Amino acid sequence: EPEVTQTPSHQVTQMGQEVILRCVPISNHLYFYWYRQILGQKVEFLVSFYNNEISEKSEIFDDQFSVERPDGSNFTLKIRSTKLEDSAMYFCASKLTQNYGYTFGSGTRLTVV
Amino acid sequence: QKEVEQDPGPLSVPEGAIVSLNCTYSNSAFQYFMWYRQYSRKGPELLMYTYSSGNKEDGRFTAQVDKSSKYISLFIRDSQPSDSATYLCAMIYSGGYNKLIFGAGTRLAVHP
Repeated sequence: EPEVTQTPSHQVTQMGQEVILRCVPISNHLYFYWYRQILGQKVEFLVSFYNNEISEKSEIFDDQFSVERPDGSNFTLKIRSTKLEDSAMYFCASKLTQNYGYTFGSGTRLTVV
Repeated sequence: QKEVEQDPGPLSVPEGAIVSLNCTYSNSAFQYFMWYRQYSRKGPELLMYTYSSGNKEDGRFTAQVDKSSKYISLFIRDSQPSDSATYLCAMIYSGGYNKLIFGAGTRLAVHP
């Protein structure tokens, strides 16, 4: 069964450093998303991406965050200058059409120290 | 008032029991309803996807949507220890690019 692949599975970084989280969505999917889940809290929407541009972003997704789809297969989330409160599981998701269920990756656990 | 309310549990049941998981929501603009299962430190896995009010069945799982009451349910029949996980309800507004709004998740433990 097709799956969304995320790397790395765990990343530890120092506060103030830049990190890039990588995702390979399912190949024929058109809509791409990043969500995050702080330990013990809800899964929260960060950003949606369609047709090579951001289609919606949450209040969390400030100027420190950016997304890219640099080629036909990868979808990345960059955090420019990490803060302690950015520590969370980050999930990439994709879907084929609007009226369709999402497929999530297994997540990247980001720990900022 | 939160957009989506879900009792976090934990819920502990014996193997073979029928499990009932529920969510309520406040905004009638929600049109699509999903249930995800999440194992510890893994991504959410889609279990059920429904659009209209009524029931949808898939194996041991039944999803129920009551739009008039703004209430959705997931029933698990003949529960197994492998069903032990956190169950997340999630909803989408009509239109837009369909961001998911999640409930807090209910932690379920099925003991042999």
